[in-house]
Amino acid sequence: NAGVMQNPRHLVRRRGQEARLRCSPMKGHSHVYWYRQLPEEGLKFMVYLQKENIIDESGMPKERFSAEFPKEGPSILRIQQVVRGDSAAYFCASSPKTTGVGKNIQYFGAGTRLSVL
Amino acid sequence: GQSLEQPSEVTAVEGAIVQINCTYQTSGFYGLSWYQQHDGGAPTFLSYNALDGLEETGRFSSFLSRSDSYGYLLLQELQMKDSASYFCASAPYNTDKLIFGTGTRLQVFP
Repeated sequence: NAGVMQNPRHLVRRRGQEARLRCSPMKGHSHVYWYRQLPEEGLKFMVYLQKENIIDESGMPKERFSAEFPKEGPSILRIQQVVRGDSAAYFCASSPKTTGVGKNIQYFGAGTRLSVL
Repeated sequence: GQSLEQPSEVTAVEGAIVQINCTYQTSGFYGLSWYQQHDGGAPTFLSYNALDGLEETGRFSSFLSRSDSYGYLLLQELQMKDSASYFCASAPYNTDKLIFGTGTRLQVFP
C-alpha cells in the first residue's frame, strides 16, 4: 500500500540546467497536484492534473515551468533553465475522485528538495 | 483573492492544551482542512470542517465558524511529537486545489 512516491528526494542543479521531478500517485488516485514550499513558508499551489489533462495551472509560472501526467508513468514537473529562486521543496499530492463538495483530502509525498547553485 | 492567516508560532509544554487559529478570506468557501508537517516531512491530513461546530478526532479537534470566517485546531494532552508546523487550508470555488494558510510552528517543551 505505497503512498505517494516522489523522486529524487534531493536534486542539485546549476543555474541554467533543467530539473525533472517525478511523482507517482497512490494506487487508485487519478488526481495529482504540485505545490512549492519556500523555507519557513506555506505551500503554494502550482498545478492540478488528471491523466493526460491539465485541469488548473493557475499557480504555475508562465515561463520555464511545465507539468504533465501521461497515460502511463508518473507525473513530471519540469523546470527549464533553473535559477537560484527556484530552490525550494516541491511536493506532489494525490487524491481519488473528489470526495465531496469542498472536501478534498490530499495525500502528500515526501517532496523533492531542489537546490540551485 | 484567497488568504488564510495564522499565528506564526505557538509554544506549550507537554500535557497542555493549545489552540491554533485560522482566519480566512476566500471566495466560495466550502470548508476548512488542517494539515500537520514535521520538519523535512510531508504534510499529512488531520481534519476537515464543512459545517459550523466542532469535529473531534482523538486528541485533535477542529472548529469552524463561517459567520466569523474563523476556525481553529485544538490539540490536547500535548506530546513532544506534536512539535510541527500546522496549516489550515481551503479549496475555493469548489475547485480541487488547496490554498494553504501561512502556517503555525508549534514547539512543545518538556
